[in-house]
Amino acid sequence: DAGVIQSPRHEVTEMGQEVTLRCKPISGHNSLFWYRQTMMRGLELLIYFNNNVPIDDSGMPEDRFSAKMPNASFSTLKIQPSEPRDSAVYFCASSLMWGQDQYFGPGTRLLVL
Amino acid sequence: KQEVTQIPAALSVPEGENLVLNCSFTDSAIYNLQWFRQDPGKGLTSLLLIQSSQREQTSGRLNASLDKSSGRSTLYIAASQPGDSATYLCAVRLGTVNAGNMLTFGGGTRLMVKP
Repeated sequence: DAGVIQSPRHEVTEMGQEVTLRCKPISGHNSLFWYRQTMMRGLELLIYFNNNVPIDDSGMPEDRFSAKMPNASFSTLKIQPSEPRDSAVYFCASSLMWGQDQYFGPGTRLLVL
Repeated sequence: KQEVTQIPAALSVPEGENLVLNCSFTDSAIYNLQWFRQDPGKGLTSLLLIQSSQREQTSGRLNASLDKSSGRSTLYIAASQPGDSATYLCAVRLGTVNAGNMLTFGGGTRLMVKP
């Protein structure tokens, strides 16, 4: 298996623009997680899905952030409009079932100017 | 709210030395604890996962211990090598249904092993 796939790997955009990050979990995994990593706050969970259903989005910073999982093999994290403080590395992870190892993607490094 | 702390934040050792990384958590009602490695610019790689009922797990030169009652875990690295240089992250998963499958991460320990 190719592991968790994220795209793009790097994104540079201007403040106010819409940003869409994409994730393909490992085939057969039924849990998917979006994390954000910054120097100041470390690694934070934004939202997670179980069987394509959002279970907990309490980590989503504000309404500018939204996430979807239309099917078992694809998820998006959208920021609209983006702000400089959204600059971070965004990771997607998946796990086979509740409580099991989480496998992380390589991350998307986002810079909002 | 679960808080996870890792000490030290950074560590530099000569090659060959045995070392211990520390992780503490405030809520002892955990389901399991996981140690990850992160190389610069890369994602996280799972090293060891310890269930709440276990005391330790071993993988090669790595040994992770768990003392749930005191809210502590250690990662022991034997005979360190320059290739071990990375950031090591500890993460805990609570055991309650409301916690779902969420991991709470510590701030990490940045390790450098000098040749």
